[in-house]
Amino acid sequence: QLQLQESGPRLVKPSETLSLTCTVSGGSISRSIYYWDWIRQSPGKGLEWIGSVYYSGDTYYNPSLQSRINISIDMSKNQFSLKLRSVTAADTAVYYCARESISCSGGKCHHNWFDPWGQGTLVTVSS
Amino acid sequence: DIVMTQSPDSLAVSLGERASINCKSSQSVLYNSNNKNYLAWYQQKPGQPPKLLIYWASTRESGVPERFSGSGSGTDFTLTISSLQAEDVALYYCQQYYNTPLTFGGGTKVEIK
Repeated sequence: QLQLQESGPRLVKPSETLSLTCTVSGGSISRSIYYWDWIRQSPGKGLEWIGSVYYSGDTYYNPSLQSRINISIDMSKNQFSLKLRSVTAADTAVYYCARESISCSGGKCHHNWFDPWGQGTLVTVSS
Repeated sequence: DIVMTQSPDSLAVSLGERASINCKSSQSVLYNSNNKNYLAWYQQKPGQPPKLLIYWASTRESGVPERFSGSGSGTDFTLTISSLQAEDVALYYCQQYYNTPLTFGGGTKVEIK
């Protein structure tokens, strides 16, 4: 059964970079029928999609965060990672990684739903 | 961005009774070329991540009890729990995947009356 686990610092100072890694077990991250995603949840903004990465390295970002984020994939370690730069208190949230099913036709793929999700990790931005 | 609006924010239902949650999208999420609605529903219990219940607006995920059903098309959708059980107490979210950015509703809290 596929499992995802987030790891990384739980406390980040304002203006610094938040870095998280998602380790996938029970299945390969290199399958072409999935994207690999980051989603966050905060009391103020609810659930917010951050972005996706494909096994090819192609990425898809939420425009609201695009200028500050980078999502990468490491197939040798079966991991993908998130970097969010210049964080503020508004970036305090539970960060989830998730597998996203996609549907592809004619060489073009479409986003779908998220399943499964990691347990999530609370990252607090504070000095 | 497609804005997803859920109602009500919370509802209390007696055990064994029906619970209905509404989700409205700011634009249609029906893809005409395949006649599919690009909408999913999730359940989130305290301290846990969201769990997929339904996709394509009405297709139940494997292992999800039959009392959960999804309906609707275009911009208006409903998640129905036909006979509420104690283990169904949770937050429920809808999500559209018609367009990026992928967006979620604000959530509906279901409690026992």
